[in-house]
Amino acid sequence: AQSVTQLGSHVSVSEGALVLLRCNYSSSVPPYLFWYVQYPNQGLQLLLKYTSAATLVKGINGFEAEFKKSETSFHLTKPSAHMSDAAEYFCAAHQAGTALIFGKGTTLSVSS
Amino acid sequence: NAGVTQTPKFQVLKTGQSMTLQCAQDMNHNSMYWYRQDPGMGLRLIYYSASEGTTDKGEVPNGYNVSRLNKREFSLRLESAAPSQTSVYFCASSADRGRTEAFFGQGTRLTVV
Repeated sequence: AQSVTQLGSHVSVSEGALVLLRCNYSSSVPPYLFWYVQYPNQGLQLLLKYTSAATLVKGINGFEAEFKKSETSFHLTKPSAHMSDAAEYFCAAHQAGTALIFGKGTTLSVSS
Repeated sequence: NAGVTQTPKFQVLKTGQSMTLQCAQDMNHNSMYWYRQDPGMGLRLIYYSASEGTTDKGEVPNGYNVSRLNKREFSLRLESAAPSQTSVYFCASSADRGRTEAFFGQGTRLTVV
């Protein structure tokens, strides 16, 4: 069965530092991949998605992710963290004919 | 734009009570989902519906039932609530099961005492 693994349940960075959140998927056939963000007491909103058109995907709020088939990875990055980026981030995979599956999430803390 | 609407937002149940969580989407999406979110566990799929009239079990279906009433509505029922079902429940919908993203409701915070 397909699975999604997010390395690091909690990542802490300083304001202005690089953000790197890691995500690996398990299926042999690359699925469609997504990153979602959840702010406290809210639902999830889409940051970006990979649907095979381009390996480097740009999303909202300055985030981007690169799909690497050889590494089965879809890591999320942002060059310079902002205090408002503090939230929980979820990587998800969606293969045709199956349901959307999530990783366990990474909480990002940003300190001044 | 309403998107995905869940009711209620909060609920406290006693062990053994039953209740139905309601979900409706106004985006004409084919697929709908119910997830539960617990600390450190991410979102786990309870049930999903690829289209009107079909439902499938997800990772954690025990203790739950669902109904895809029509294309817009997908309800989740707890027949006999247990403390282990204390969680935040999210409904979501997507145009299809594939390249399109899912849209989420604001969640229902359920406590079973």
